[in-house]
Amino acid sequence: EDQVTQSPEALRLQEGESSSLNCSYTVSGLRGLFWYRQDPGKGPEFLFTLYSAGEEKEKERLKATLTKKESFLHITAPKPEDSATYLCAVQPRMTTDSWGKLQFGAGTQVVVTP
Amino acid sequence: GAVVSQHPSRVICKSGTSVKIECRSLDFQATTMFWYRQFPKKSLMLMATSNEGSKATYEQGVEKDKFLINHASLTLSTLTVTSAHPEDSSFYICSARNYYGYTFGSGTRLTVV
Repeated sequence: EDQVTQSPEALRLQEGESSSLNCSYTVSGLRGLFWYRQDPGKGPEFLFTLYSAGEEKEKERLKATLTKKESFLHITAPKPEDSATYLCAVQPRMTTDSWGKLQFGAGTQVVVTP
Repeated sequence: GAVVSQHPSRVICKSGTSVKIECRSLDFQATTMFWYRQFPKKSLMLMATSNEGSKATYEQGVEKDKFLINHASLTLSTLTVTSAHPEDSSFYICSARNYYGYTFGSGTRLTVV
């Protein structure tokens, strides 16, 4: 069964204090791994898609990496506006049963204090 | 590009009534849309997959007669919560698959009183 585990559940950072979020996954063939940011009362906002081990993507203070078993989201010198819940999701290779649906992790709630 | 509009953002209804939530892809055609439910401080739980012109596929444990999904066009899917009860109160989010990946709506906060 496909499974996505995110750690830690919550992370409190001082402004400027870099850290990493982990997303471990087991899936029957990975088509893509997605990172989203979700603010309270809002829908998830797309950050990155990673397709193969060794791939890295960056956007401002965020950098996502992928291995065969896990993905990391690195936050460099975070600012208070980076406070949000970060969600990881995997898309298994499509079969007639999967319809391309995503399997989400529980998320990591990040709070960055000034 | 790839914008998904979801309405309403908030709705309060009386127990026993029905509520319709709309999800529109504004600048692309979405043959497949997904409906999620999210409980406080929890992750997204997939309820059903909606395919244009065919019946929705519901996840195990989701009552298809309570949560009616219609995907009548390539840009619109609707979720109707029928005979709503307080336990149906939740945050509902739609998503549409496109060339870039998956785009989410802004969510609907449903409160049943």
